[in-house]
Amino acid sequence: QSVLTQPPSASGTPGQRVTISCSGSSSNIGYNSVYWFQQLPGTAPRLLISRDYQRPSGVPDRFSGSKSGTSASLAISGLRSEDEADYYCAAWDDSLSVMIFGGGTKLTVL
Amino acid sequence: QVQLVQSGPEVKKPGASVKVSCKASGYTLTSYDLNWLRQATGQGLEWMGRIDPYSGKTGFAQKFQGRVTLTRNTSISTAYMELSSLRSEDTAVYYCARGEVRYNGMDVWGQGTTVTVSS
Repeated sequence: QSVLTQPPSASGTPGQRVTISCSGSSSNIGYNSVYWFQQLPGTAPRLLISRDYQRPSGVPDRFSGSKSGTSASLAISGLRSEDEADYYCAAWDDSLSVMIFGGGTKLTVL
Repeated sequence: QVQLVQSGPEVKKPGASVKVSCKASGYTLTSYDLNWLRQATGQGLEWMGRIDPYSGKTGFAQKFQGRVTLTRNTSISTAYMELSSLRSEDTAVYYCARGEVRYNGMDVWGQGTTVTVSS
C-alpha cells in the first residue's frame, strides 16, 4: 500500500483539462517537494514536474503542478492522445527516510 | 546527450545474487547522486537507495538494508547495484536514475533492466 494516495484512473477527451490528485501527510508532502513522473507504456519514467511546480526543460507548459498543505495536483490542459500514460507523484518522507511514490494514475484519453 | 545505459536482462535462481550496471554518458558521474528503483510488473515504483558517486556514500530504504550493495567505478563512469538472497518477489524492472532525490528529483533515467527470479 502506497504512502501517497492517487486515484487509480482518470480520463478525458482531447482538448480537455484533467487533474490528478496526490494526498500525503506532514512527513512527506507537507514539508518536502513533490515530483511528478510520466510513464508511457513499456518505457522508463520521465520527470514531468520538479519541486512542486517547476517544469524541466522540454516539458510542455500544458503540464502544471501545484501543492497545498499535504496534497498536490497535476493538471494537464489541452489533452492529447500521446498523454495517455501512467502518472506517479513522489516525495521524500522524513519519518521513513525514503522517497515514496503514489500508486500511480492511469490516464486514458477517450 | 545525457544518458544512463543499463546492462541487459538477467535470470537468476532463488538465493542467488544479481549485479546491474548503469553507465553514465554526457555528464560527469560524480556530479550527481545515482538512485536505484524497481517496478514489479503492473505495480508502482519503489525507491531502493542511492549513492553519491563522488564520495561513495550510500543510503538505503530500510526494506533493502543489508541486501543491497551500491558501488561505482568512476574511471568508467559506471554505477552498480547488487541485490543478494534473491526471491521470487524481487522479479522486477530495475532502474537507475540521476538526481538528488530529496531536493531536485530524478531527471535522467536508465532504460531499465529486467531481473527475473525463478527456479
